Amino acid sequence: NAGVTQTPKFQVLKTGQSMTLQCAQDMNHNSMYWYRQDPGMGLRLIYYSASEGTTDKGEVPNGYNVSRLNKREFSLRLESAAPSQTSVYFCASSVPGQGREGGSGYTFGSGTRLTVV
Amino acid sequence: AQSVTQLGSHVSVSEGALVLLRCNYSSSVPPYLFWYVQYPNQGLQLLLKYTSAATLVKGINGFEAEFKKSETSFHLTKPSAHMSDAAEYFCAVRGPGSARQLTFGSGTQLTVLP
Repeated sequence: NAGVTQTPKFQVLKTGQSMTLQCAQDMNHNSMYWYRQDPGMGLRLIYYSASEGTTDKGEVPNGYNVSRLNKREFSLRLESAAPSQTSVYFCASSVPGQGREGGSGYTFGSGTRLTVV
Repeated sequence: AQSVTQLGSHVSVSEGALVLLRCNYSSSVPPYLFWYVQYPNQGLQLLLKYTSAATLVKGINGFEAEFKKSETSFHLTKPSAHMSDAAEYFCAVRGPGSARQLTFGSGTQLTVLP
């Protein structure tokens, strides 16, 4: 089925460990996004990639890095995990938001539940 | 910058009663507005969207929302709640940035009582 695939679905890290969250989409979308979801705070944008070869910081980028590997894949890396990064992480993709396509919503992955102890 | 405010982090209704979830937005340009639903342990699913065509927008599962520019609101309604509507609902606005990224409200947890 077409959509956004995230791996892993669950992960437990110790403080200071590193890991990479993987995201791939097969809808030929140009734009991809990483959000984190915390109780009572909705979804907050970490990083986004408007198109292949570009990445930009979102609202909460500290402690994270991203790589847009190709048009399909957009990974999120935690270099030194902290308990404050315990969250559910969602990847999403969309067509570019300009003009009429601004009305296009996002397609979300099913999320990665990360716990840092 | 664009933003959305969802009034009420928790809403409870009886099965068969009207559902009303409130969303107010702030945007420097004519907005694109969205409602998403999230069922437990799942990702977000698009319910409906406003893209400046009709002000009354119909979505999936019997939900609809009305865009009111004078009130800067985009409230979500459903005439008769069903047990399966229990979920968290997010209002979002798509802004004017280069990727026109979505900005989400803090969410409203809907409980449907039997």
